[in-house]
Amino acid sequence: AQSVTQLGSHVSVSEGALVLLRCNYSSSVPPYLFWYVQYPNQGLQLLLKYTSAATLVKGINGFEAEFKKSETSFHLTKPSAHMSDAAEYFCAVSNTGGFKTIFGAGTRLFVKA
Amino acid sequence: SQTIHQWPATLVQPVGSPLSLECTVEGTSNPNLYWYRQAAGRGLQLLFYSVGIGQISSEVPQNLSASRPQDRQFILSSKKLLLSDSGFYLCAWRTGGSYEQYFGPGTRLTVT
Repeated sequence: AQSVTQLGSHVSVSEGALVLLRCNYSSSVPPYLFWYVQYPNQGLQLLLKYTSAATLVKGINGFEAEFKKSETSFHLTKPSAHMSDAAEYFCAVSNTGGFKTIFGAGTRLFVKA
Repeated sequence: SQTIHQWPATLVQPVGSPLSLECTVEGTSNPNLYWYRQAAGRGLQLLFYSVGIGQISSEVPQNLSASRPQDRQFILSSKKLLLSDSGFYLCAWRTGGSYEQYFGPGTRLTVT
């Protein structure tokens, strides 16, 4: 069975600081991994995806994530936080032939001025 | 390009009343369709998914049901709403050949 664990339900950073949101997954087969962002009262928007190509994946809004098989991790980073990055972020996993995507519980990012 | 619509955007309904939420996708054929619910301060709960017209898989045995009368239309229904049905309902789609899902804008349901 697949699962996703996001470490930290809330993360607070100062504007201009590094953003690091942690995600660990469990999957018995090679996974497809995703990060989504959700702004208040909106649907989820795909930030980036890993589909077994390059292990370092670049997404929208300056975010990137690195797939580390040995650590079963897919952490999301951004070098410099902006106030507009304040939102909830979801890590998710799917696998070949599966219809469902498993989502983590989410991490709310706060950005301080 | 593909677009996903949900309506209504917000809904306030009394306990025991019926529910119908609609989701439509444009610009693609034979998508996989999904209904999720987000309760306040919680993650996403998969309610139903569909891989084709008339094909519905249920993930939660509650008082909700789903139907897919047309290829790009997905409807979430209830005959009698409960207080616990309050939440943010999200529809999503993906193609059969990819694994990322694309979400609609959501419906905020408040049951009073």
